[in-house]
Amino acid sequence: KNEVEQSPQNLTAQEGEFITINCSYSVGISALHWLQQHPGGGIVSLFMLSSGKKKHGRLIATINIQEKHSSLHITASHPRDSAVYICAVGAGNTPLVFGKGTRLSVIA
Amino acid sequence: DGGITQSPKYLFRKEGQNVTLSCEQNLNHDAMYWYRQDPGQGLRLIYYSQIVNDFQKGDIAEGYSVSREKKESFPLTVTSAQKNPTAFYLCASGQGVPDTQYFGPGTRLTVL
Repeated sequence: KNEVEQSPQNLTAQEGEFITINCSYSVGISALHWLQQHPGGGIVSLFMLSSGKKKHGRLIATINIQEKHSSLHITASHPRDSAVYICAVGAGNTPLVFGKGTRLSVIA
Repeated sequence: DGGITQSPKYLFRKEGQNVTLSCEQNLNHDAMYWYRQDPGQGLRLIYYSQIVNDFQKGDIAEGYSVSREKKESFPLTVTSAQKNPTAFYLCASGQGVPDTQYFGPGTRLTVL
């Protein structure tokens, strides 16, 4: 079974800082997901990646399949980016395996 | 609007009682999932269903039961056999391989 490790577990940043959250997994996958969970508990899917890089607004996700590693970057961070960011991986038709999440706090 | 609804948002039950959590989707997705989230832990899969009238156990199915009689609905029953049922429960649906999963708002269950 795939193991998913995220780092850091907790991150505090000043508004405007560039933020990087990392995700490593142990077994080959067909797709990696980045999710965002706000304090109310609802989860939103940010990206689904199988190779390369994707960008949406101030968010950038990259994946290196050979190194089994992905990063989520937030440029010009803002307090509204404060949330838990979750990495999840899937292989074929099997259910996703989730990391424990990275809790981000952006201070104005 | 298309989406997933879970009800209720907060639920309180006495120990020893069964309780059913509702999950409905109007996204026409074939697959539906139930996850449990505890503080400091990742989401753990309870049950999933990839097609109507069929479902599979996830990693922590003991003490839970599900049904999938309709494509839109995937209710989860937390039985009295579940030893530590107090948690946040999330339902999701998806389509395709691999699928992007869409999550409901969650139900926070507290057993007193």
